[in-house]
Amino acid sequence: GQQVMQIPQYQHVQEGEDFTTYCNSSTTLSNIQWYKQRPGGHPVFLIQLVKSGEVKKQKRLTFQFGEAKKNSSLHITATQTTDVGTYFCAADGGSQGNLIFGKGTKLSVKP
Amino acid sequence: DGGITQSPKYLFRKEGQNVTLSCEQNLNHDAMYWYRQDPGQGLRLIYYSQIVNDFQKGDIAEGYSVSREKKESFPLTVTSAQKNPTAFYLCASSRMRVVSNQPQHFGDGTRLSIL
Repeated sequence: GQQVMQIPQYQHVQEGEDFTTYCNSSTTLSNIQWYKQRPGGHPVFLIQLVKSGEVKKQKRLTFQFGEAKKNSSLHITATQTTDVGTYFCAADGGSQGNLIFGKGTKLSVKP
Repeated sequence: DGGITQSPKYLFRKEGQNVTLSCEQNLNHDAMYWYRQDPGQGLRLIYYSQIVNDFQKGDIAEGYSVSREKKESFPLTVTSAQKNPTAFYLCASSRMRVVSNQPQHFGDGTRLSIL
C-alpha cells in the first residue's frame, strides 16, 4: 500500500536554531496534511497543501509541497521550546477520505 | 465547545478479556477513525467509518471490532484475539471528503495496558 517516508525520526536543536522535517512518497500525492503532537497530547491539524509547488506560512512555520507532488517539507525558523513535539505528515489514503500518516519527526529543543 | 471525547483515559485489560473504548463527537462530522500509536510507529489506522452503519477495515484491523450505530459514536472493542494491545488509541473525526481530504480532529486518547 501507499506509504509516506518521513525524515529524520528525531531532531535535537538548540533554541533559536532552525528545524526541517521532510516527507517523501514514491507516488504522486493529491494533497498532504501536517499535524503536531505535543508530548502526552493528541495530534493537532496544522495545514493542508494541495497545489504543486505550494508554499504556505504560519508565523515561523513554512510548509512546502514539491513541484511533482511527491514530497513536502515543514521548516521552523528560530525554534522555541514551545515547538517541542512530534510533527507528522499525512497523505491521501484513497477515495474514502482516510489518511496515511508518516512515522513523524520528534523535535526536542534545548533552551 | 465542540470536540471529541474519549474514555476512559487509562484502561487495563486482563488476559482473555474484551475491552471497549468509547469515542463520542459533537462536531456533526460524518467520518470517524480509530488509530493505534506505538512509540516510533506513528499512527496506524484500525477502522474507519464514513457514514452510520458502515465501516471499513484499516491497516491493522485484526483483533479489533467497531460499530457505528449513531453518527456521534464510534466505539472500539479490543478483543482477546489482539495479542499485543498495549498502546495509545486515538479516535478522530472529520467532515466527509468532497474533493480533497478534510482535517481530522482528534480526541485525547486512551492508554491501554495489559495487567
